[in-house]
Amino acid sequence: TQLLEQSPQFLSIQEGENLTVYCNSSSVFSSLQWYRQEPGEGPVLLVTVVTGGEVKKLKRLTFQFGDARKDSSLHITAAQPGDTGLYLCAGARGGSNYKLTFGKGTLLTVNP
Amino acid sequence: NAGVTQTPKFRILKIGQSMTLQCTQDMNHNYMYWYRQDPGMGLKLIYYSVGAGITDKGEVPNGYNVSRSTTEDFPLRLELAAPSQTSVYFCASTSSRGGEFEPQHFGDGTRLSIL
Repeated sequence: TQLLEQSPQFLSIQEGENLTVYCNSSSVFSSLQWYRQEPGEGPVLLVTVVTGGEVKKLKRLTFQFGDARKDSSLHITAAQPGDTGLYLCAGARGGSNYKLTFGKGTLLTVNP
Repeated sequence: NAGVTQTPKFRILKIGQSMTLQCTQDMNHNYMYWYRQDPGMGLKLIYYSVGAGITDKGEVPNGYNVSRSTTEDFPLRLELAAPSQTSVYFCASTSSRGGEFEPQHFGDGTRLSIL
């Protein structure tokens, strides 16, 4: 059973466009992390969200944690080719914050 | 900073052979993990360790074994390689000392093919 559903699975856009990717679950998570993975490398943490309704901004990236802590979104403004990569969300459940459940990821391609 | 180092980077095995994937970290992290990543399937946890001498099964442990004799090292052993174990394997580590929401730090992966 896939606890975290990410959508879309693939996204190909032109430089300068905006986009949103989603991470949804029927389960409540105590925290949720977003990672970006580039080809040939391991995932690298972008952000951790902890509080329901929390919004965090990282330059052109905006992360939101749903009020019920079951879902999250990542919005990128004016995408650039350097944003290309696999975006993974990962949730930690209460009492086990050191064991993450990963979604399948959204593969983003930003074309120049 | 070295961070998490995995060796080898690539390996081709024949069915039935055995091998050990090495992972070492120099950040004094107490938690370490092994994941496998199949195309379109995200990361699945194989085994993890909360400290030296302590290991536990993750979501997909069958066909693998681990040990944690030191804080730094967490090798993953494949005893009888099967084609289903063809995958990219990632080792990761984190610390509980900085708080409960510390990130996991990943190595660059070992690409393993079983033929």
